[in-house]
Amino acid sequence: DAGVIQSPRHEVTEMGQEVTLRCKPISGHDYLFWYRQTMMRGLELLIYFNNNVPIDDSGMPEDRFSAKMPNASFSTLKIQPSEPRDSAVYFCASSPVAKNIQYFGAGTRLSVL
Amino acid sequence: RKEVEQDPGPFNVPEGATVAFNCTYSNSASQSFFWYRQDCRKEPKLLMSVYSSGNEDGRFTAQLNRASQYISLLIRDSKLSDSATYLCVGDQTGANNLFFGTGTRLTVIP
Repeated sequence: DAGVIQSPRHEVTEMGQEVTLRCKPISGHDYLFWYRQTMMRGLELLIYFNNNVPIDDSGMPEDRFSAKMPNASFSTLKIQPSEPRDSAVYFCASSPVAKNIQYFGAGTRLSVL
Repeated sequence: RKEVEQDPGPFNVPEGATVAFNCTYSNSASQSFFWYRQDCRKEPKLLMSVYSSGNEDGRFTAQLNRASQYISLLIRDSKLSDSATYLCVGDQTGANNLFFGTGTRLTVIP
């Protein structure tokens, strides 16, 4: 398996633009997680899915953020409109079972100017 | 209070030294613990799971102390390639996700 695949690897955009981050989890993994990492706050959980259903989105900072998982092999995290404070590295991770080892994608480095 | 807390460091140690990191967790009912390693500008990767009886993998030893609610990571004979940030990870009762500490940065000096 190729592991968790994220795209794009880098994204530079202007304030106010819509940003869409993509993730393909490891096949057969029932859990998918979206994280945001900054120097100040470390790794923060934004939302996670179980069998394509959002379970906990309490970490989503505000209504500008939304996430979907239309099928078991694809998820998106959308920011609309984007703001400079959204600049961070966004990681997607998947896991076969709850509370177990999570496998991370390479991340998307987002810069909002 | 954060679910898991760890000293951010940095720890600067000479090659060949032994270094230990501790991490405290707040939920006494937590069951699953891990240490992850994150290299600069890379994703976190599992280093090792932490078992109740303690476990060892080569130069790395992980321990769990439930009475004091902390886990530890010991690295013996440090190598330059051990330079990274080490993330302490634990679970939470009633939730299916894991909580990641902010990491301890280690630099091994030649």
